[in-house]
Formats: sequence, C-alpha cells, structure tokens
Amino acid sequence: DTEVTQTPKHLVMGMTNKKSLKCEQHMGHRAMYWYKQKAKKPPELMFVYSYEKLSINESVPSRFSPECPNSSLLNLHLHALQPEDSALYLCASSQDWGGFFLNTEAFFGQGTRLTVV
Amino acid sequence: QQPVQSPQAVILREGEDAVINCSSSKALYSVHWYRQKHGEAPVFLMILLKGGEQKGHEKISASFNEKKQQSSLYLTASQLSYSGTYFCGTVDQTGANNLFFGTGTRLTVIP
Repeated sequence: DTEVTQTPKHLVMGMTNKKSLKCEQHMGHRAMYWYKQKAKKPPELMFVYSYEKLSINESVPSRFSPECPNSSLLNLHLHALQPEDSALYLCASSQDWGGFFLNTEAFFGQGTRLTVV
Repeated sequence: QQPVQSPQAVILREGEDAVINCSSSKALYSVHWYRQKHGEAPVFLMILLKGGEQKGHEKISASFNEKKQQSSLYLTASQLSYSGTYFCGTVDQTGANNLFFGTGTRLTVIP
C-alpha cells in the first residue's frame, strides 16, 4: 500500500464552523506534512510532524491546529477560517532514512479542496 | 525561502526536449522534482542528494550543482503525458525535515 488517503475530498464551511481534515498512511512513514496550495501556486509548507511530534510550524495562524494521534494518522482542525483560507490542502508522508526523512520521495495524498464561505 | 524556477511556462511539440531550472538562496541538502497535473497530487520524479546520488525515473534526468544551489531537470523526447506543472522541492542543510517547493514551471506538450 503506497497511498496517502485524505478525507474529505471536498469541504465547504462557514466562517464560524469547526471542521477537521484527515490524512492516513500505512507505509510506516514517520514524517507527515501539511501543505496549502492556492490555484496556480506551489504548495506551501504548513506543518511537519516527525515521530508524532510537531517539528516544524511555518508561522501558520492558530485557526489551523494540527494533530498527530498516531504514526498513521494526521489531522488538521479548522476553526474560524477566512475566505482567503480557501485552497487545496495536501498531506504528504516520507520515510526515515537515518534521521533524514527526505532522502527519498514524499508521497502526497489527493488533497482536500476547501471552500470557506 | 522559496526556490525560483525558470522558465515559468514552456510549450513543446511532441518529441522536443526541455530543461527546467531551479535556484535556491540556501545551501541545499537535496533537491526533489515533482510533476502535478491539474486537480491532482504532486507525483515524484527525481531526487538528487548532496554528494551526487540520484534516484528517479529512467526517461528523466537531472543535475544538481551544490556550490551554486541550482538544479536542472531534463525532459527528453517529450510526450503528451509530460504536460503539467513541474516543481522543484528543496531541503536545506539545517537538517530540518522541510521540503519547500519552487515557483513552478507549466509545461504543455502539443501534438
């Protein structure tokens, strides 16, 4: 199984709603990532988890709250989002090679297309 | 921190070759290359590690100039399926497990 599965595929939420995005992988990867991608732009790194601990937070607003409950699962909790947060949210994972997680490819999920109204 | 790619866009006829460049202002540990088709996830193409090791596909090659923090992706004998947006992803030498994507190159292959 070489898949990263993201749910839901599409999400529409109001600015006062609370929702969560889910990402799952069963490849034994110990690093997982959240990226945000606006149309015609490159993916922007948001968070990195390694061994279920948050290792990188790229100055993301607190209305985005990541969680890594176990080695296979990564969540992104959303609260009080703004319309400009509408984007494709991508999850990725990679394997540990002697302490480096990016000596080999990162596997990406198909993403959740989020619309904030 | 975002690497800069050139060109921004290129149109090729089937069978033609293309080179996509990626330049970073930081000392790099590795460079990744991904292709993303519209509405789909990025797909891994190639990785180049500091020290010269390469891992990737047979029909795509790349180079990595560690001193200049630059990488180039070479696409030969292009096919229609090569169309998409190409991103380099760079990992810097701080040792952090980051992967920052470049500005992107939109490649269109026409019959």
